Amino acid sequence: GEDVEQSLFLSVREGDSSVINCTYTDSSSTYLYWYKQEPGAGLQLLTYIFSNMDMKQDQRLTVLLNKKDKHLSLRIADTQTGDSAIYFCTGGGNKLTFGTGTQLKVEL
Amino acid sequence: SAVISQKPSRDICQRGTSLTIQCQVDSQVTMMFWYRQQPGQSLTLIATANQGSEATYESGFVIDKFPISRPNLTFSTLTVSNMSPEDSSIYLCSVTPDSSYEQYFGPGTRLTVT
Repeated sequence: GEDVEQSLFLSVREGDSSVINCTYTDSSSTYLYWYKQEPGAGLQLLTYIFSNMDMKQDQRLTVLLNKKDKHLSLRIADTQTGDSAIYFCTGGGNKLTFGTGTQLKVEL
Repeated sequence: SAVISQKPSRDICQRGTSLTIQCQVDSQVTMMFWYRQQPGQSLTLIATANQGSEATYESGFVIDKFPISRPNLTFSTLTVSNMSPEDSSIYLCSVTPDSSYEQYFGPGTRLTVT
C-alpha cells in the first residue's frame, strides 16, 4: 500500500509563499491530491495532479510532481490567514492513503 | 463535484451503545467510502461501500463492529457498535463521482464516547 510522509508544521508570514512537501511510496497512483481541513471541518479537495504531469497551476496554487523522487509539493502564493489549516497530500487510487497532514500557520 | 451531508454532525454517546451515521449524496454514485479520523490523527479508511455489493473492510476493521448499509446510489449508513472511548473520532464518508477521479468528503460526524 501507499505510505505518505509530510512535515507536521509550517509557519509563514501573511503575503509570503508557502510550500508544503510530501513524499509517497506507491508510484502506481494515477492521481495525487491535496486536501485542506480547517478546524472542525471536513476535507476540501483543493487540487490534484495526474501522475504523468510535472506541474499544475490553479490560481494561487501550484502543484509540482517529481515522479522519479516520488515527491509532491503544494505552493500557495500570497498566503492569507484564511489559508491556515491542515493540508493533506494523498494518493493510492480510490482507496486514499493519507499522510499525517501539515499544519500551516499564517502569521500577520 | 458532489455535495455530501452527514447526520448527525456530532454526538456524545455512552459506552456499550451503538450509533448509526447517515451519509447522503446529491447525485448517484457507485463508489462510497467511510473513513475515521482519530483525535489529532490523519484519516484511515474503514471500508468501501459500493452499491450492489457487500462492503469491503480494511485491515483492522470488521463488519460486526462497523456494519455498513448501502441501499441505493445516494445513501449509506455506518454503525459504530458497542462503543468504547477508543471509538471517539470523526467519521467521514466520501464519494468518487462516476467517471471522475475526484474524491469528495462529507463534513464528518464527531463522535465522543464517554
